[in-house]
Amino acid sequence: QVQLQQSGPGLVKPSQTLSLTCAISGDSVSSNSAAWNWIRQSPSRGLEWLGRTYYRSKWYYDYAVSVKSRITINPDTSKNQFSLQLSSVTPEDTAVYYCARSYSSGSYRVDYWGQGALVTVSS
Amino acid sequence: DIQMTQSPSSLSASVGDRVTITCRASQSINYLNWYQQKPGKAPNLLIYSASTLQSGVPSRFSGSGSGTDFALTISSLQPEDFATYYCQQSYNTPFTFGPGTKVDLK
Repeated sequence: QVQLQQSGPGLVKPSQTLSLTCAISGDSVSSNSAAWNWIRQSPSRGLEWLGRTYYRSKWYYDYAVSVKSRITINPDTSKNQFSLQLSSVTPEDTAVYYCARSYSSGSYRVDYWGQGALVTVSS
Repeated sequence: DIQMTQSPSSLSASVGDRVTITCRASQSINYLNWYQQKPGKAPNLLIYSASTLQSGVPSRFSGSGSGTDFALTISSLQPEDFATYYCQQSYNTPFTFGPGTKVDLK
């Protein structure tokens, strides 16, 4: 059973960097059949996929165009976790953030989610 | 980006009703997933690759469609099925979601 445990601050000031971590149990961040995603949800934007990292002999990264200039997703193999950094945040970045595993056997689907974390951007 | 639309945006139904939610993609896609979300919880995968039932999901849920038009059907609505349903394409990044369909009690 895969479990994803999120951690990080719930309040970030405008213009600062939002940082969240997702600890993985029951799978490996270096898995050859999974990808590790960050997804957020807000009333105004709905469910929004932000990006992913995955390992297929080397590390790959995909990011949504809407946040591409501000986002970094990093795997940490020593701790079996991955992280999200979103820089220069504004109140528009206020949302519930989820980490999630997407599994591929032909097609990717998100089969495990973290518990979600409300991050509020406010001074 | 591939745009996803869903209809209806909400519906009211009774226990035992047959319910169908549709999802349309802005271009032809091969991979379409359906999720159920209850308040305060993360989404839960129901169907992947348009019609494959995720392990552990009741058989009253089914998915169909191809190309740009897809559907999620609940054959006999149960009390635990009142929730919001989302489609998602996993054909191209960014993996976009539909706006959701809220199913509530009539």
